[in-house]
Amino acid sequence: DTEVTQTPKHLVMGMTNKKSLKCEQHMGHRAMYWYKQKAKKPPELMFVYSYEKLSINESVPSRFSPECPNSSLLNLHLHALQPEDSALYLCASSQETVNTEAFFGQGTRLTVV
Amino acid sequence: GIQVEQSPPDLILQEGANSTLRCNFSDSVNNLQWFHQNPWGQLINLFYIPSGTKQNGRLSATTVATERYSLLYISSSQTTDSGVYFCAVVDGSARQLTFGSGTQLTVLP
Repeated sequence: DTEVTQTPKHLVMGMTNKKSLKCEQHMGHRAMYWYKQKAKKPPELMFVYSYEKLSINESVPSRFSPECPNSSLLNLHLHALQPEDSALYLCASSQETVNTEAFFGQGTRLTVV
Repeated sequence: GIQVEQSPPDLILQEGANSTLRCNFSDSVNNLQWFHQNPWGQLINLFYIPSGTKQNGRLSATTVATERYSLLYISSSQTTDSGVYFCAVVDGSARQLTFGSGTQLTVLP
């Protein structure tokens, strides 16, 4: 099973709302990632968790708050987002952070109104 | 950081045609993957190929690490092959996938 599951698939939220994106994998992978993808652009890295610890934060604004409750779960908490944060948010996992194949979820398409 | 360039940016084919997509990278890599992004946004793994040649059905890929490029071959293309093809690499100093800008492939019936 090479499945990474993301929920919800679609989300519309207001600028004052708080919402969370969820990502789950059961492949025993120890690295998990959040990527952001704008239309007609490649995915851009936001965060990397390695062994449940945040190892990379690509200067992401604090209105995005990641959380890794256990080795199978990754959350992205959203608060006070701006319309320009509307994008496809992709979660990925890999066995380790280097030299191993990464697998992506189907993404959450977020619209901020 | 490492630079990843893909060519061509856009490609339109008739069903049944063959094509070659190219990925050039600016530094040595530990990991190279090819993905197909379908119209719903899902990134589908095609190949994990830091070096050498692999084949999977109508698709094959070759990475020449010493010359810093990879090629993805699609033979007998089908309309379902349409979408964006991304090359992504991990270089020696990074612990993240860096994506190229992608090739938008359209296969016409």
